[in-house]
Amino acid sequence: ETGVTQSPTHLIKTRGQQVTLRCSSQSGHNTVSWYQQALGQGPQFIFQYYREEENGRGNFPPRFSGLQFPNYSSELNVNALELDDSALYLCASSSFRGPNYGYTFGSGTRLTVV
Amino acid sequence: AQSVTQPDIHITVSEGASLELRCNYSYGATPYLFWYVQSPGQGLQLLLKYFSGDTLVQGIKGFEAEFKRSQSSFNLRKPSVHWSDAAEYFCAVAFSGTYKYIFGTGTRLKVLA
Repeated sequence: ETGVTQSPTHLIKTRGQQVTLRCSSQSGHNTVSWYQQALGQGPQFIFQYYREEENGRGNFPPRFSGLQFPNYSSELNVNALELDDSALYLCASSSFRGPNYGYTFGSGTRLTVV
Repeated sequence: AQSVTQPDIHITVSEGASLELRCNYSYGATPYLFWYVQSPGQGLQLLLKYFSGDTLVQGIKGFEAEFKRSQSSFNLRKPSVHWSDAAEYFCAVAFSGTYKYIFGTGTRLKVLA
């Protein structure tokens, strides 16, 4: 079975720019969650998508937005980038909407904002 | 507020020694409990999980964890550490009816040859 694939693996953006990160969920998974992991911290929940609808959101401003497509792949968009947005962004997929059974995480996208 | 505490930021052990990583959570109800491992530059890999039943759970790579309700703890253990276990370990909790994990800040494990 395929795992969770994220692209790109690294990118550098300038403050004020916009960025789109992509995630292909594991085969058979219909739920995707996004997490932000700042250096030296644990991952923080951004939001979750279930069957193309936002299903829950963490404490992140509206400039963090997302999409889920009919094939259950997903995008994370961040507008008006700030220096504090520099982090590892992790995508996780599951075949269940709740966290009960554990999510499968991708290797992440390392975003650096300069 | 719900929170997860991993009191040890760094732990160093010798190869072959036993290991225990601590995790405490704050919440009244029993959560779903997880341990993940993250190697440098990698995503998170699930080691084990607890939902209910037997409070001692077995995971991959020879790890086990014990849930102690009275202490709100879910400590991770391994009898004999291998050099390849060097990584960062995250404890996470989730609650019925919610969609997210709450992660601790992680414990970085160093293994001495």
